Amino acid sequence: RKEVEQDPGPFNVPEGATVAFNCTYSNSASQSFFWYRQDCRKEPKLLMSVYSSGNEDGRFTAQLNRASQYISLLIRDSKLSDSATYLCAVNRRTGANNLFFGTGTRLTVIP
Amino acid sequence: DVKVTQSSRYLVKRTGEKVFLECVQDMDHENMFWYRQDPGLGLRLIYFSYDVKMKEKGDIPEGYSVSREKKERFSLILESASTNQTSMYLCASSSAGGEGTEAFFGQGTRLTVV
Repeated sequence: RKEVEQDPGPFNVPEGATVAFNCTYSNSASQSFFWYRQDCRKEPKLLMSVYSSGNEDGRFTAQLNRASQYISLLIRDSKLSDSATYLCAVNRRTGANNLFFGTGTRLTVIP
Repeated sequence: DVKVTQSSRYLVKRTGEKVFLECVQDMDHENMFWYRQDPGLGLRLIYFSYDVKMKEKGDIPEGYSVSREKKERFSLILESASTNQTSMYLCASSSAGGEGTEAFFGQGTRLTVV
């Protein structure tokens, strides 16, 4: 089983829609969780960390469910500029901050 | 502004060549990583280093080696390039801080082996 799994999509949604992505992780020892955004032909950049209590940053909400071992990202009021690939990442500290990434979910927001 | 710089954006090499991919970070980070990214497979860890001269294998180290002689520089070496090593290679660095430490990526090197 992969360390981190997510639906590759693509998700095609109209502007203004709400869209949610889920990501499951296999190792219960995982300690830190992240969502990264990757634009076409660019490097991944941190979108937000995911905290146990859940956290929100403007239109973006991230949640963690340790019991079911998944994290989620909710985007409200989608903008054209939200079109990108969203990667979930999980950190299991074993000597270094190794990040295990999902394959990414491609989102296209349509006018 | 934090920076991770990879020496080349695009490389074309011949099968059997020895290939060096260089990565430099200016954030005094302890940890450095090399990933490759392929469609449908996502980012896969090749090697990482948590200190100078220290290295550990990631998930797919076969066919690769690394070198970290200075804290700011982490090199990926393809001993004898093969066509299945055609990929996007991404270097990243992070501090040795606690949970929630962000990884910063370089712009990537798209390597084609012919």
